[in-house]
Amino acid sequence: SQTIHQWPATLVQPVGSPLSLECTVEGTSNPNLYWYRQAAGRGLQLLFYSVGIGQISSEVPQNLSASRPQDRQFILSSKKLLLSDSGFYLCASVIITGELFFGEGSRLTVL
Amino acid sequence: GQNIDQPTEMTATEGAIVQINCTYQTSGFNGLFWYQQHAGEAPTFLSYNVLDGLEEKGRFSSFLSRSKGYSYLLLKELQMKDSASYLCAARNQAGTALIFGKGTTLSVSS
Repeated sequence: SQTIHQWPATLVQPVGSPLSLECTVEGTSNPNLYWYRQAAGRGLQLLFYSVGIGQISSEVPQNLSASRPQDRQFILSSKKLLLSDSGFYLCASVIITGELFFGEGSRLTVL
Repeated sequence: GQNIDQPTEMTATEGAIVQINCTYQTSGFNGLFWYQQHAGEAPTFLSYNVLDGLEEKGRFSSFLSRSKGYSYLLLKELQMKDSASYLCAARNQAGTALIFGKGTTLSVSS
């Protein structure tokens, strides 16, 4: 079965600092991978998705970026965090039955 | 454009039945999903409809009408542990992504 590891689980960062969130998938190969953000009081917002190594599609303009250096690794980054970047970041993969399977999430607080 | 609407909050009592509605407007459609999310946790998959009709899975059922852009999640024999947020999501035509509604927070009381 598939598992998704995300780290760090929680972090508190000052405004203007850089960010790197990592997601690693096990139990599958060549998965479609996704980054979603859930801000307080808001729904899940799709940020990026990737269908393969080096292939990134961005859904919303923002100061975040994503990279996929390996088949089962997906990284979310920022050079300078904003207050509005606070939220719950979820990495997800499509599993064989067609639904999205989520990692445990990374909770980011920007102060 | 893409828009998914569902009520913000609902309340119910243990043992009751509750129906959570969802309407969607998407540029292309390729399936309707329901997820459950407990506070502070990641969403977990509940059900999937791609054809019109009712899909039943134990205490949970989901209905889809593609012509009306409408779905509902039906929860029977409510338990306290069912208190959670329920997310409706539509998959785009290309099948590359799920677009989520803001979720319905269900509170079950004794």
